[in-house]
Amino acid sequence: QSALTQPASMSASPGQSITVSCTGTNADIGPYPYVSWYQQHPGKAPKLIIHDVNVRPSGVSDRFAGSRSDKTASLTISGLQAEDEADYFCMSYTSNSVPVFGGGTRLTVL
Amino acid sequence: EVQLVQSGAEVKMPGESLKISCRVSGYSFMNNWIAWVRQKPGKGLEWMGLIYPGDSDTRYSPSLQGRVTISADNSITTAYLQWSSVEASDTAMYYCARLVTGNTYYMDVWGAGTTVTVSS
Repeated sequence: QSALTQPASMSASPGQSITVSCTGTNADIGPYPYVSWYQQHPGKAPKLIIHDVNVRPSGVSDRFAGSRSDKTASLTISGLQAEDEADYFCMSYTSNSVPVFGGGTRLTVL
Repeated sequence: EVQLVQSGAEVKMPGESLKISCRVSGYSFMNNWIAWVRQKPGKGLEWMGLIYPGDSDTRYSPSLQGRVTISADNSITTAYLQWSSVEASDTAMYYCARLVTGNTYYMDVWGAGTTVTVSS
């Protein structure tokens, strides 16, 4: 099972919006609405910010939104803030009944 | 409160054995999958394996090629990840996480991680 494909890095200015893509296959993102996103700050454990494509856990800012189209999932962060600077990882359920992660995207808030 | 408390940092020499742990509290340990996730220095997250403590059903990432063993002790609500012989390439941060399933699939609570350093 190959890793999902994410851009290695992205950058934007405070207040702007940014969309991180996560491309999979017909064995993961394509058939299953089970995409989740994780935020990881340096030296910290990953934190769940989106599950089931577009569901925010309690306590997660509504500036984070998820979507899915065909074999690609997306995470949109609106109104960027300095605290959003982090690594972002997508994850999907697969046809092998196991998970697969994306390679991660490092977001820089300029 | 759901908590996953991982064991402390380890420093090992190549060829040594190693067992790290993940103690769970705040939910039904037996009825939820536990995932182990590896993160090598400066790299992304890699799924290593899963265990369902209720029946010890275990799944492993093919990339591990049988190098690790995942187990659980229900009496102390603890999951384990072990190596019989570590290599320098095992140097990484290892996380355990609760995997929520059942018409859904995500890791909602993570341990703080265990740093493993393998060096001669």
